[in-house]
Order: sequence, then structure tokens, then C-alpha cells
Amino acid sequence: DQQVKQNSPSLSVQEGRISILNCDYTNSMFDYFLWYKKYPAEGPTFLISISSIKDKNEDGRFTVFLNKSAKHLSLHIVPSQPGDSAVYFCAATYLSGGGADGLTFGKGTHLIIQP
Amino acid sequence: DAMVIQNPRYQVTQFGKPVTLSCSQTLNHNVMYWYQQKSSQAPKLLFHYYDKDFNNEADTPDNFQSRRPNTSFCFLDIRSPGLGDAAMYLCATSRGLPSDTQYFGPGTRLTVL
Repeated sequence: DQQVKQNSPSLSVQEGRISILNCDYTNSMFDYFLWYKKYPAEGPTFLISISSIKDKNEDGRFTVFLNKSAKHLSLHIVPSQPGDSAVYFCAATYLSGGGADGLTFGKGTHLIIQP
Repeated sequence: DAMVIQNPRYQVTQFGKPVTLSCSQTLNHNVMYWYQQKSSQAPKLLFHYYDKDFNNEADTPDNFQSRRPNTSFCFLDIRSPGLGDAAMYLCATSRGLPSDTQYFGPGTRLTVL
């Protein structure tokens, strides 16, 4: 029973264009959402997060949008650059648990930026 | 640089032969996590330590154990590895505060022959 779903295993985007990665969740108890980026042979690294009290969070070229009613979040990368080619994991957790709880991950989306 | 280190990066073991994976951190974080990621699957939390307090996920098999002898080190023991335990094992750390980031090591890829 997957509680966090990333339905696109891969996405190809031209350099300079917008990349949109999508994520859906089923557990309404989740109140904090994160995106991690993973290069081959490295561990996932934190990219950006959003609390359930917000609907948007921006950090440079990266923006995460949260639609609580649809249980959907998306990561926008503008403009896309070659170094953005990586696997992107969506993750969720419960801040109400105190902060030490683990993350529930999606399967990841492999983003390929084409020159 | 402060970091999360996992050794070895690649581990081959035989069916049923106990194996131990190691994780160390220089971040002085309170919490250490172990995740299992099978091919094309999502990383799945096995358990975590908050200081010396062990927290097991309900669906983690008994075959998986963990030890944390001190703040810096955490071990994952697989008592009798099966073919289905072949996976990438990721260690992560955090301070354990709300909205705190988890920092991941590069992972250990386990092969079971």
C-alpha cells in the first residue's frame, strides 16, 4: 500500500524549459513534505520542503506547490539545467510526531534534461 | 566536512550468512535511520534510533536488527539474509527536531548469492 506515489518513472525536458514533477499521497495525517534529489552512486540530498499550512514554497529555481484537498504536490524547476538531471524523490512525514519520524518516500522520477 | 559515511559501499554475502552494514556520522545528530531500497522501489524505513531509544517499524522483519553503540555509529545486522534482502541500504541522520532535514549516506548495495 503506497502512501506516496510518483506515477512518472521518468521525465525528459529540454534545457531552459520548466520541469514539473508530480507526487500524490493518500495519508491525510502527513503534514510535512519534502523533495530529495539523488545522483548515481550518491545518497539522496534534500532539495526543498513544504509544511501543510502553506501552499507554496520557493527557493531559487525550485518551487514546491501543495494542494491539500487533492493530496497532491508538485516540484517546478525553472529554468531546467543539465545539472538537474537526477532522480527526484517525493517524501512525506508527520511533524506532529515530534520530528524524529522517518520519511515515507515515493518511487522517484528520473529527470533527464536534454541540451 | 561533516558527513554520513557508510561502509562498505558494496557487500556480497551468501544466502543465510549473517552480514553487518556500518554507518557513521560526524554531524553529532541525535537520530539515525536505516532505509531499505529495492530496485525501482521507494526507500522504506526499517527502524531508527533516537539517542539510545530504538524504534522499529511494525513491518520490519525480525531478520533485521540494529545496534547503536555510541552517537557516531549505527549498525544494521541481517541475521540470515535471503535473496529478497538484496537491496540498497541507506543510512540517514537528523537532529530529530520538527522539520529537520535528514542527511543521507551514499548507501551500501547488498548482493545475496
